[in-house]
Amino acid sequence: DADVTQTPRNRITKTGKRIMLECSQTKGHDRMYWYRQDPGLGLRLIYYSFDVKDINKGEISDGYSVSRQAQAKFSLSLESAIPNQTALYFCATSGPQGEQPQHFGDGTRLSIL
Amino acid sequence: QKEVEQNSGPLSVPEGAIASLNCTYSDRGSQSFFWYRQYSGKSPELIMSIYSNGDKEDGRFTAQLNKASQYVSLLIRDSQPSDSATYLCAVNPANQAGTALIFGKGTTLSVSS
Repeated sequence: DADVTQTPRNRITKTGKRIMLECSQTKGHDRMYWYRQDPGLGLRLIYYSFDVKDINKGEISDGYSVSRQAQAKFSLSLESAIPNQTALYFCATSGPQGEQPQHFGDGTRLSIL
Repeated sequence: QKEVEQNSGPLSVPEGAIASLNCTYSDRGSQSFFWYRQYSGKSPELIMSIYSNGDKEDGRFTAQLNKASQYVSLLIRDSQPSDSATYLCAVNPANQAGTALIFGKGTTLSVSS
């Protein structure tokens, strides 16, 4: 089983719908992250959380919200999806020390029509 | 604005050659550096971590770090077609325990057989 699991893996939906992407991890890491990736734009950080009570905005948080339900679970929501939120979304985790690398889930391919 | 810069490529090398991928970063006090490999449509995979000046070797991969020049590189010896991917450089900002890694946009490597 994957250490970082994202669900769903693929989602096609319509403009205006509310969408939740879920991430769970078995690595025991405190830190969790959500990124989106678009061709030519690299990975862009949406939100990150360093523990259950800590939520921080990344560089592109507008239009998104998150919930850290437990140490192992971090969900990303699009309250009212729009077509330019079509992208590949990744969840990542890392250990408690700032110098540790991030480990990524397999991603969710989201298409908004 | 802390930045990580990479040439987007594509970098094209023949099979068996050495591929050299470069990355510069703006935060002089950065302490942790990582290379990720990402195949098209897949998630980034950690391949190297480096924390000290000099070289670090792991199989066909060598990471090189020069903090004075704010430069980190990845050498791939005996390049194989399976090495064709996008390589992402990531840097942990100095004394920033409360922030996420900063990623470059990646260099696309193409190894021809």
